[in-house]
Amino acid sequence: EVQLVESGGGSVQPGGSLRLSCTASGFTFSTSYMHWVRQRPGKGLVWVSRISNDGTRTDYADSVEGRFTISRDNGRNTVYLQMNSLRGDDTAVYYCVKDRTGTGEYWGQGTLVTVSS
Amino acid sequence: DVVMTQTPLSLSVTPGQPASISCRSSQSLLNSVGNTYLSWFLQKPGQSPQLLIYEVSRRFSGVPDRFSGSGSGTDFTLKISRVEAEDVGVYHCMSGLRLPWTFGQGTKVEI
Repeated sequence: EVQLVESGGGSVQPGGSLRLSCTASGFTFSTSYMHWVRQRPGKGLVWVSRISNDGTRTDYADSVEGRFTISRDNGRNTVYLQMNSLRGDDTAVYYCVKDRTGTGEYWGQGTLVTVSS
Repeated sequence: DVVMTQTPLSLSVTPGQPASISCRSSQSLLNSVGNTYLSWFLQKPGQSPQLLIYEVSRRFSGVPDRFSGSGSGTDFTLKISRVEAEDVGVYHCMSGLRLPWTFGQGTKVEI
């Protein structure tokens, strides 16, 4: 059974940092591209970032470019999202997503990030 | 970026009756090798999205056959042949043709 378990969310002040983690099981993690997608309260889904299976290629939404960094540790079956210079509009549930050639095959349960003073 | 537009944004359905949701993309989702990267997800209340349909019409593992997808190019449809109570939630379409993945606004289905 595929499982994606996110952690690391919480409350932070504007300008602060958080690191999200997503630990995977039930599939060959090292062969899968992974994404982060976020959903602001009561709003739609927005793609944030992607990392290739070997970690050599990363991509970001314009809104987070230069502030967020995606990385992975294939030995730990974990993908990370380092979020710096957080702003109020970064408040959202962040989902870790396993890619299946252009679709989100499996999603984690999500972790809530709240940016507020 | 590909803009995805869903209609309707809300839908009230009767159990046992059919339901249909449309999704239109601002660009064709057909790639150079003939694959069309349009997916449908259901987000049940309080849960994360779950994949229903990928590549327009392929049902994901474990998805009941009352769900079907159709369409081509820029116009796509998700149909539920006979709605059940467990089908309530928000349905999202998604373009996975290229980055960034983009999603429709979501269609809230209620009974």
